[in-house]
Amino acid sequence: QSALTQPRSVSGSPGQPVTISCTGTGSDVGAYNYVSWYRQHPGKAPKLMIYDVSKRPSGVPDRLSGSKSGNTASLTISGLQAEDEADYYCCSYAGSYTWVFGGGTKLTV
Amino acid sequence: QVQLQESGPGLVKSSETLSLTCTVSGGSITTYYWTWIRQPPGKGLEWIGYIHHTGSTNYNSSLKSRVTISLDRSKNQFSLKLTSVTAADTAVYYCARGTTNDFDIWGPGTKVTVSS
Repeated sequence: QSALTQPRSVSGSPGQPVTISCTGTGSDVGAYNYVSWYRQHPGKAPKLMIYDVSKRPSGVPDRLSGSKSGNTASLTISGLQAEDEADYYCCSYAGSYTWVFGGGTKLTV
Repeated sequence: QVQLQESGPGLVKSSETLSLTCTVSGGSITTYYWTWIRQPPGKGLEWIGYIHHTGSTNYNSSLKSRVTISLDRSKNQFSLKLTSVTAADTAVYYCARGTTNDFDIWGPGTKVTVSS
């Protein structure tokens, strides 16, 4: 199980959109629609923001959206706000009841 | 509202066994995949493994020979044991509630340092 590939860092201005990519393989991201995204503020536990590629849990603003094309999933945050500054991790089901995370992306607003 | 809380020693000697417990409150250990995930300092998340409410388990292949996850339904707890630890096992360890698709509830995490 190799970690999914994410950019180390991305940045954007308040009010602007930003997209974070997550590249896997045909055995994980490409094979299943079970990609999830987590936001982690410094010193805190990760929080689920997106599941099943594009679904939002209750309470997550619709400024966050997810998508997938082939072996690459993406998280887009529109209308960046200061609270969006955090680390973001993607995760994919990898078959045989195993999961794999991405290396994480630091978003600077 | 379901909450998870990790507990256990914050310091473990090299070559010894790391033991952590996760206490589930506000709900019972049913239906879900009760999972351990870790995060080395300054690094990303690593899925360690899970125990299903039925008692079935599965582990990350890179840790499989050293990991055991167990369940205590009477105490609403599940536990992690990691043997023969080295400095590479120094991390924040999180317990989480997993579905087939995601990890929707996490504990706050507990920092474990492996000392020589």
